[in-house]
Amino acid sequence: EPEVTQTPSHQVTQMGQEVILRCVPISNHLYFYWYRQILGQKVEFLVSFYNNEISEKSEIFDDQFSVERPDGSNFTLKIRSTKLEDSAMYFCASIKEHSGANVLTFGAGSRLTVL
Amino acid sequence: AQSVTQLGSHVSVSEGALVLLRCNYSSSVPPYLFWYVQYPNQGLQLLLKYTSAATLVKGINGFEAEFKKSETSFHLTKPSAHMSDAAEYFCAVSETGTGRRALTFGSGTRLQVQP
Repeated sequence: EPEVTQTPSHQVTQMGQEVILRCVPISNHLYFYWYRQILGQKVEFLVSFYNNEISEKSEIFDDQFSVERPDGSNFTLKIRSTKLEDSAMYFCASIKEHSGANVLTFGAGSRLTVL
Repeated sequence: AQSVTQLGSHVSVSEGALVLLRCNYSSSVPPYLFWYVQYPNQGLQLLLKYTSAATLVKGINGFEAEFKKSETSFHLTKPSAHMSDAAEYFCAVSETGTGRRALTFGSGTRLQVQP
């Protein structure tokens, strides 16, 4: 069964450093998402991406965050200057199209620890 | 705006007992509703979904959920709990026909299964 692949599985970084989390969505999917889950809390929507542009973003997704699809297969989330509160599990998800029969497929997540 | 409330952050049942995890939603338009399961250190796996077809939805691992519009509920049940059901369960909603397709998750319910 096709999977959404995320790398790295765990990254430890110093506060203020830039981090790039990578995702390879399912190949024929068109819509891409990033969610995050702070330890012990709910899964929160960050951003959705379609046709090479952001289609929706939450209030969490401020100027320190950016997304891009640099090569037609990878979908990346960049955090420019990490803060302690960015420590979380980040999930990538994708969907082929928005119809009732389709659901988001999530990756296994990338755990980010900011020290 | 859409929201999800999961009653009970922790639920403990005995092996073989009924599992009932509660979810109430709020949506300004007819919703799509989902239950996801998260096993320790893993990603989100779809259990089942409601997309305006049958109100009683059957999912994987013997779980089912019933959409009740009058009660704005989508409770998850399983007749007989198994030890392997111990996990975190998330209810989620997305709005139909608005162009906003991001999932909104509840805060999660951790299910413990006692031998």
